[in-house]
Parts: sequence; C-alpha cells; structure tokens
Amino acid sequence: GAVVSQHPSWVICKSGTSVKIECRSLDFQATTMFWYRQFPKQSLMLMATSNEGSKATYEQGVEKDKFLINHASLTLSTLTVTSAHPEDSSFYICSAHQGSEQYFGPGTRLTVT
Amino acid sequence: SQQGEEDPQALSIQEGENATMNCSYKTSINNLQWYRQNSGRGLVHLILIRSNEREKHSGRLRVTLDTSKKSSSLLITASRAADTASYFCATDDYGQNFVFGPGTRLSVLP
Repeated sequence: GAVVSQHPSWVICKSGTSVKIECRSLDFQATTMFWYRQFPKQSLMLMATSNEGSKATYEQGVEKDKFLINHASLTLSTLTVTSAHPEDSSFYICSAHQGSEQYFGPGTRLTVT
Repeated sequence: SQQGEEDPQALSIQEGENATMNCSYKTSINNLQWYRQNSGRGLVHLILIRSNEREKHSGRLRVTLDTSKKSSSLLITASRAADTASYFCATDDYGQNFVFGPGTRLSVLP
C-alpha cells in the first residue's frame, strides 16, 4: 500500500528557533498533501492544505506566516514552524491522497522548550 | 469545522468483550473512514465505507453506515489488550479534505 513518511519523527527545539518537518509520499505522487496538528488527548485538526506548485490553503485561525508550507514536488511537502514557542509543542501529522483513500504519515512530535 | 463526532468519548472493557463506537456527522459525505491511533503514534487506517454501502467487515472489525441518520458505528469483536487505542472517524464531504471527530479512547483490560 501507499506509504507516507515524515522526518524527523521527533524534535526538541528552543523557543524562538525554526523547525522544518518533511512529508514524503514514497511510492506515489500527491498533488495535494495535508498537515494536521494534534494536541494531547484531542483529535486531529487540519492546519492547511498543501498544493504542489501553488500556495497552501490555511484553515481559519492558523497563522500562515508562522507555519510555512512548501510543496516543492509531487512527493514532498514541508512544514516549517517559525519562531517556535512552547505552545507550538504538538504532534504534527501529514497525509496524502491516493485515489479515494488518504494515507497518513507516522507523525512528528515537536517539543519546544 | 469538524463534523464527525464519536461517542462514547472513552470506553473501558474487558478482554474478549465487544466494543462499539459510534460516529455522527452533519453533511452529505462521499465516504467515511475509521482510524486507530496508538498513544503518541500516527494514524492507522482501518476501514473505508462508501456512502452507497451499509456494512463492511475486516477481520474483527465491522463498520455500519446509516446515511439517513448520518451515523456510523465501529464494532470490534473479541477485543484484545492490543486494541487499546483511540479510534477516530473521518468523513470526506466530496472535497479532498477529511474531517475528523474527537475520537473514542478505548481501553481493553486484560
């Protein structure tokens, strides 16, 4: 089946620094990828839709200047958390479509100290 | 806005018992999917049921869909301790986006 990978799987950074998270579709091309955030014991919340070759579409309440998304190719989307703060600590998950199914990456746990 | 809502929010059962979780949604959908998430891990896709289907089986899983009531249920039979996880339903409203419910935390006690 289709596989989506994320890198890194976990990262710890200091407040004020930026962190880049990669999402790759390993055996299929994805013109659209999605970024989700999950706080402890809560459901996934869609942050943005990443479109290859065009600007990402952000959900209401998500700061596009803080969460930079770049979908540089049909197999790679990146999410950069700029000037991270402790409240940005969360589990970030990407997903990509193949046909009618959506495949999720394993997630990246970000801890901002 | 989220439209999938699971109930119960938390469920605790003994190993060997059946676990039933429900999901309700608000708008018309193309399909509905159930996912499992072990603590701190990514989502694992369990089963997809399309809007023209009423029931699907996969191993110990049985999913039903009632589009007239805008609801779905996930039944796990003969539960095991390894089934302990959070279970989410997600709906696809004909767009390319899936909307998740808050999830049901299932604890299977040995």
